Amino acid sequence: DSGVTQTPKHLITATGQRVTLRCSPRSGDLSVYWYQQSLDQGLQFLIQYYNGEERAKGNILERFSAQQFPDLHSELNLSSLELGDSALYFCASSDRQGAGEQYFGPGTRLTVT
Amino acid sequence: DQQVKQNSPSLSVQEGRISILNCDYTNSMFDYFLWYKKYPAEGPTFLISISSIKDKNEDGRFTVFLNKSAKHLSLHIVPSQPGDSAVYFCAASGAGGTSYGKLTFGQGTILTVHP
Repeated sequence: DSGVTQTPKHLITATGQRVTLRCSPRSGDLSVYWYQQSLDQGLQFLIQYYNGEERAKGNILERFSAQQFPDLHSELNLSSLELGDSALYFCASSDRQGAGEQYFGPGTRLTVT
Repeated sequence: DQQVKQNSPSLSVQEGRISILNCDYTNSMFDYFLWYKKYPAEGPTFLISISSIKDKNEDGRFTVFLNKSAKHLSLHIVPSQPGDSAVYFCAASGAGGTSYGKLTFGQGTILTVHP
């Protein structure tokens, strides 16, 4: 158990809908990262927050947004969902802004029908 | 453009022997490298890491070697155990700038250890 929790475990929704994925980092970790794992793209970095501030952005679609709250939990919002958004979404946390070990949650499997 | 590559999609090894997983990278700005293990329906689990100022790091049965001139790293598992059967991902992190802690992952290698 990495100490990172993610909810929900599974999510099935229709195209055009909006969903929110939630992540609680390990106790004491200030950085939260979001990654997407799809069959054809592998694990892709989406976005990083550190102590409530956005720090780095990957190839995150404009339809996707995230935030980190004062209690350090984070939410990833996905809107106007398309079939291609079906993937595993992982959250990871670490105790630093820069390079270092990241500890991953169990993921949320999103299926868009 | 894939900056981190694991060219072997799969590797099969006998229990007790050495498993060697390889990874190549193209971005010379990467300065921190990690290996993760992943079981189906679980998140990646951190195994071992190495900074670019070192060429070797060891933790129990796991050793990571870094060859900066060749932009190549490898993970050695000795001795291999059936419980090591999983997908192994190599990941790299860049030095500051706008990349911060972003990890760039390889495509993964499926390791199967036969009893």
